[in-house]
Amino acid sequence: RKEVEQDPGPFNVPEGATVAFNCTYSNSASQSFFWYRQDCRKEPKLLMSVYSSGNEDGRFTAQLNRASQYISLLIRDSKLSDSATYLCAVNDNDMRFGAGTRLTVKP
Amino acid sequence: NAGVTQTPKFRILKIGQSMTLQCTQDMNHNYMYWYRQDPGMGLKLIYYSVGAGITDKGEVPNGYNVSRSTTEDFPLRLELAAPSQTSVYFCASSYSGASAQYFGPGTRLTVL
Repeated sequence: RKEVEQDPGPFNVPEGATVAFNCTYSNSASQSFFWYRQDCRKEPKLLMSVYSSGNEDGRFTAQLNRASQYISLLIRDSKLSDSATYLCAVNDNDMRFGAGTRLTVKP
Repeated sequence: NAGVTQTPKFRILKIGQSMTLQCTQDMNHNYMYWYRQDPGMGLKLIYYSVGAGITDKGEVPNGYNVSRSTTEDFPLRLELAAPSQTSVYFCASSYSGASAQYFGPGTRLTVL
């Protein structure tokens, strides 16, 4: 089993839709969690950290479920500019990145 | 702050040539990392450093070397380039091992 797993997608959604991604991790001792966004041929950019109580930044909501060992990212009111690959990162002494979920938002 | 900067942006090497990829950060981060990312794939850790003078191997260190003489700089050396090293190389830094990593813009390397 991979240490950090994401559904590769692609997720194709219309503008205005709500879309959610999950990321599962294998080490229950993992301590910090992040979501990154990576545009084609660009570097990953930190989107948001994921806190135990859940956190929101505008249209983006991140949640952590320690019991089931996954984090989630919810995007509301999708925009064309949200099209990208979303990487999760989980730290358990080492930072482990998922392979990414590709999102395409269509007009 | 410029954040993490990398040079060059692109490079084509012939098999057997060597080169150094440069990485500099101005955030006074202790931790620095080198990753490679093949097309459509995830990030693979090559080497990392927890501070000046300290480096350690990651998942895929073969064919690479690093040094960390200052807090700001973390160059990656490719010796005897091979086609399998064709990839995009990202440098990253973080305040601590558990905190978010910030990435440079990458170096796109082709070995022919």
